[in-house]
Amino acid sequence: EAGVAQSPRYKIIEKRQSVAFWCNPISGHATLYWYQQILGQGPKLLIQFQNNGVVDDSQLPKDRFSAERLKGVDSTLKIQPAKLEDSAVYLCASSLDIMRVPYGYTFGSGTRLTVV
Amino acid sequence: AQKVTQAQTEISVVEKEDVTLDCVYETRDTTYYLFWYKQPPSGELVFLIRRNSFDEQNEISGRYSWNFQKSTSSFNFTITASQVVDSAVYFCALSERKLQRDDKIIFGKGTRLHILP
Repeated sequence: EAGVAQSPRYKIIEKRQSVAFWCNPISGHATLYWYQQILGQGPKLLIQFQNNGVVDDSQLPKDRFSAERLKGVDSTLKIQPAKLEDSAVYLCASSLDIMRVPYGYTFGSGTRLTVV
Repeated sequence: AQKVTQAQTEISVVEKEDVTLDCVYETRDTTYYLFWYKQPPSGELVFLIRRNSFDEQNEISGRYSWNFQKSTSSFNFTITASQVVDSAVYFCALSERKLQRDDKIIFGKGTRLHILP
């Protein structure tokens, strides 16, 4: 079974620029999550999708962050404009469906973003 | 509200020593799940174990063991005879089982473990 794919692996941008991250979940996984992991901290949930609908985006800074999951498969997370404090690893995870949450997610390798 | 506390920010031990990583959680629910994840230098989060709130039996998997105590809201992780490959950041996590659309996993801040050769 192929894992969760994320790209790019690394990204360096200047503040006020925009950036986009891509995630391809495991085939058939209905639920997709984006987490932000700042250095030295645990992952923090940004947004959760069930198929192509948003379930929870309460911690997404909507003035600069946006995410979509067209067709309920791949997802894109965008930051525009980026700030220095957005430097972090952005992790994508997927699970079969909401009812499988207790069985844990499968995480991708993440995109390490550095804003200078 | 749910919360996971990992008081140990960083631990260093010499190879072959045993080491215990502490985890304390807070939740108002009676039904919940606890997890441990490993994050090696490559960055990917690797699932290690899941326990539900109704099962307090300790679990052993090779050199890894987990001690779940509801009375103290703790879910500690012990590595026996540690190896250099165990060096990583370890996260304890919690998910409340509300059978609602917004079930999610909340992570602690992690413990960075250094195994010295």
